[in-house]
Amino acid sequence: GIQVEQSPPDLILQEGANSTLRCNFSDSVNNLQWFHQNPWGQLINLFYIPSGTKQNGRLSATTVATERYSLLYISSSQTTDSGVYFCAVDSGGYQKVTFGTGTKLQVIP
Amino acid sequence: DGGITQSPKYLFRKEGQNVTLSCEQNLNHDAMYWYRQDPGQGLRLIYYSQIVNDFQKGDIAEGYSVSREKKESFPLTVTSAQKNPTAFYLCASSILFGAFTGELFFGEGSRLTVL
Repeated sequence: GIQVEQSPPDLILQEGANSTLRCNFSDSVNNLQWFHQNPWGQLINLFYIPSGTKQNGRLSATTVATERYSLLYISSSQTTDSGVYFCAVDSGGYQKVTFGTGTKLQVIP
Repeated sequence: DGGITQSPKYLFRKEGQNVTLSCEQNLNHDAMYWYRQDPGQGLRLIYYSQIVNDFQKGDIAEGYSVSREKKESFPLTVTSAQKNPTAFYLCASSILFGAFTGELFFGEGSRLTVL
């Protein structure tokens, strides 16, 4: 099956700093999503982005499907951005979604 | 409000007992999914269903069972055959666009602890 890897696995930022999280996938995909899992475990939808670039406030995402990667940009980070960020891809076939390994982000004041 | 409701949020059970986790959605989504998450790990697919009365095994289906008698409901039973049932269980749903999965939405999860 498809492999989905995220980097870096762990990231510590000072509040106000910018960061880029990466998601690599091993095969072509029909769509890609980014999620933020907060400390209570809830998964919050950030972007549904099969290709191209989208922006939502301080966050933006870019997916280059032909090169099999996606990037999540966080600007002016805040402590509330802490948590784990997952990408998830739909590679078709059995119509199931595969999650990446996650990036654990800690933003310190 | 539209969304996905999981219950219970916390559940404690003795080893050897079957437990059933509830998942209900009012989003009119075709597909529903169950994922398992262990501490510090990612999400792994247990079962998914694209249509009523049909479901497919995911990557870690052993020791679990599901049913899909109504479009809105997709309960998961953790049986006594599951060797390590203590985990965080997440239910999700999505629209299907033919062969493609639409945006995935999640419930708040159920934490199962087996004593």
